[in-house]
Amino acid sequence: DAGITQSPRHKVTETGTPVTLRCHQTENHRYMYWYRQDPGHGLRLIHYSYGVKDTDKGEVSDGYSVSRSKTEDFLLTLESATSSQTSVYFCAIRVGGTEFLYEQFFGPGTRLTVL
Amino acid sequence: AQSVTQLGSHVSVSEGALVLLRCNYSSSVPPYLFWYVQYPNQGLQLLLKYTTGATLVKGINGFEAEFKKSETSFHLTKPSAHMSDAAEYFCAVTLDRGSTLGRLYFGRGTQLTVWP
Repeated sequence: DAGITQSPRHKVTETGTPVTLRCHQTENHRYMYWYRQDPGHGLRLIHYSYGVKDTDKGEVSDGYSVSRSKTEDFLLTLESATSSQTSVYFCAIRVGGTEFLYEQFFGPGTRLTVL
Repeated sequence: AQSVTQLGSHVSVSEGALVLLRCNYSSSVPPYLFWYVQYPNQGLQLLLKYTTGATLVKGINGFEAEFKKSETSFHLTKPSAHMSDAAEYFCAVTLDRGSTLGRLYFGRGTQLTVWP
């Protein structure tokens, strides 16, 4: 257990409303990632962070922004939610050290429905 | 361009039968390779990984995978399927193994059904 929690676990919202998803880790890992999972697409990287205030875009970043003001929290914001952003969102962290080289541990996910 | 290809979005086997889930990657240099499993309504759990060394790697729950550079493949196998193996399986690769960013690229997943 890498100590990753996501909140909320489920959310239903309406088109055009802002939404923020939170990922929290308890072990001070440097690297954190946000993915979305859609049937037939696997997991696709939205944004990632390599330290406090250090973030970068992934392959499907349009319509999303992130912030990381503390090591333990990585926030994903949908500024104006659209139905195409209905998905399951996973946060992941990468554990450092040669034993866990590039291995990522995943949170339980947030199921977001945009009506 | 698709970096990871999983052949077969659905695989069905009988309990006790061999499980074979296929994964091919495209990369000019050998990547690090991973198999993850996802049970219903849960996050992803690492089954096994290949980084360097022995090309046949063993993971949890009796699964194993073999890295074949010449075939750019990393197929997942289990000699005898169990009902509890029913889940979705994802192959993933790190292409930028020289970078500290450690981005993973995932295949589209294979849903494994096990019949009694």
